[in-house]
Amino acid sequence: IAGITQAPTSQILAAGRRMTLRCTQDMRHNAMYWYRQDLGLGLRLIHYSNTAGTTGKGEVPDGYSVSRANTDDFPLTLASAVPSQTSVYFCASSDSEVNEQFFGPGTRLTVL
Amino acid sequence: GQNIDQPTEMTATEGAIVQINCTYQTSGFNGLFWYQQHAGEAPTFLSYNVLDGLEEKGRFSSFLSRSKGYSYLLLKELQMKDSASYLCAVSASDYKLSFGAGTTVTVRA
Repeated sequence: IAGITQAPTSQILAAGRRMTLRCTQDMRHNAMYWYRQDLGLGLRLIHYSNTAGTTGKGEVPDGYSVSRANTDDFPLTLASAVPSQTSVYFCASSDSEVNEQFFGPGTRLTVL
Repeated sequence: GQNIDQPTEMTATEGAIVQINCTYQTSGFNGLFWYQQHAGEAPTFLSYNVLDGLEEKGRFSSFLSRSKGYSYLLLKELQMKDSASYLCAVSASDYKLSFGAGTTVTVRA
């Protein structure tokens, strides 16, 4: 079934731990994105990738890193988690910058 | 930075019409998107406007005025399943989407 998958669905993490959120799409989309969604703030862009091999910083990149080794996968890493990174994380993809984005089901992350 | 404003909450009765307004101030403009998000789920695409005017798609319509920095999403013949958050998002000069905080619509029987 075509679409975007994210793993894990939810995670509780101790502060200071390293964590990688996984995102895979099978639509052969060029562009991929990571957002966080917090109550009252809406979706905010963390990092993006316009094509495999390239990445860029979004609105709130600090404390996060990404890589794009191939078209399908776009993992997000928290090197040393802090409580302010408690949020719902959505991965999205689009076939180009100008077209609609398709969102994954999200990962609910709690950092204690 | 980008500034996108939409009401926090709206309530309407089943079968009625609701209009969700969105105003924006952005660096450049490459289109405006509306997404629907049910509680606990991912956002899903509803509409895209890049030129002024009204785009109609079934019970949902979206309007854009670029000179006024204004859009609205019109939901007609409301159904209980339309209870959700509606997100306004603007594609600015760098083609990255900036989202409003969302409008939670509650449909009452």
